[in-house]
Formats: sequence, structure tokens, C-alpha cells
Amino acid sequence: EVHLVQSGGGLVKPGGSLRLSCAASGFTFSTYSLNWVRQTPGKGLEWVSFISSSSSSIYYTDSVKGRFTISRDNSKNSLYLQMNSLRGEDTAVYYCARDWNGVLDHWGQGTLVIVSS
Amino acid sequence: DIQMTQSPSTLSASVGDRVTITCRASQGISDWLAWYQQKPGKAPKLLIYKASSLESGVPSRFSGSGSGTEFTLTISSLQPDDFATYYCQQSDSYLYTFGQGTKLEIK
Repeated sequence: EVHLVQSGGGLVKPGGSLRLSCAASGFTFSTYSLNWVRQTPGKGLEWVSFISSSSSSIYYTDSVKGRFTISRDNSKNSLYLQMNSLRGEDTAVYYCARDWNGVLDHWGQGTLVIVSS
Repeated sequence: DIQMTQSPSTLSASVGDRVTITCRASQGISDWLAWYQQKPGKAPKLLIYKASSLESGVPSRFSGSGSGTEFTLTISSLQPDDFATYYCQQSDSYLYTFGQGTKLEIK
């Protein structure tokens, strides 16, 4: 069974940094692309970033370019999101999601990031 | 970026009703469209992919159709468990985008 278990959320001050992690199991991690998606409290879903299976292709939504970095460690079956220069508008629940030909077929449980002074 | 627009934003219906949610893309996306169901406090769940393919384990009362710029999600006979928020998502562009969501409420 596919499992994506997230960790690393919390409260951080504006301008601060946070690293999210997503530990995968139940599938061959190194053969799948992965994504981060976020959801502002009470609002809809926003795709944040994509990384291909070998890390050769990486994409970001415009609002996080230059501040967030997606990465993965296929030896550890883990996905990461390094978030720097955090802003209030980055406050959201962040989800990792497995990518199957553009379809997000399995999701982590979500982790809340609050950016506030 | 490709914009996805769902309608309606809120839908009130009763158990047993047939309901349809529409998703329109700002440009043609072929059939690169998925539908997700989300309940409060939970992660989204995949229902439909490639516009009309039913994800394994999803009840057959859910169906999807469309191509190009207009897509629909239909629930043939609403069950109590179906009251949730539904999102469409395009993957024609590598910059994925979601619709704003349709909240399905009990009438």
C-alpha cells in the first residue's frame, strides 16, 4: 500500500525558513515524479512544485520561485521542500503528492505551516 | 498559465439526486484533466483521471466526460458520503492548476 508521511511543519516568523519532508513507502519511489500542493485555510488547492523521478526536471509556481527548493533523495525514499524567506501568504496546509502522468494519485496527510510574528 | 474555472461554486442537493459539476479550461487541454474529492481536514482523493477514467475503488456512480476546454463530473445518485468539495486539475501544462472547487452541500 502506498504511504506518504509528512513532517516538518510549524510556526515560523516572516522571513524565516522551514523544511518539509515526505517519507514514501509501498512503491518504487525512484520511478515516480512528485509534487507539493498547498491549501490556504478555507480556500482551494494550489500546486506549488514538481520534481521528476531523477530530479532532472523541476518546476515551481511563480509565487515561490527563488524562495522554495524542491528536492528528493531516492536512496531514502524521501521528498523535501526547503522554504526560505517565508511570507504570511505562504501560510497553508502543504501536501506532498505522487505524480502518475500528471495525475496526483496518492497524497500525504498534510502539514500546516503558519507564518506569523 | 492555464486557468481552470469550476461551476457552480456551491451546489445544494439531496440524497439520490443526479448532479453535474462543470470545469472549463482557458485553453485546450485535450483530456489531461483529473477530478478530486476532498472532505474537511483530509487530503484530496483522486476520483477520475484522463477526463473520463475511473480510479480504482471509486464507485461507479461517479463519471467524467469532456475534452478540449469543457469537462463535467457527474454523480448519478448522491450518497451521504458524497457531500464534500470537488476540484478539477489540469496537467496539459507542466504548471498544474486546479479549479477553485465546488462544495456539494446537503439540501
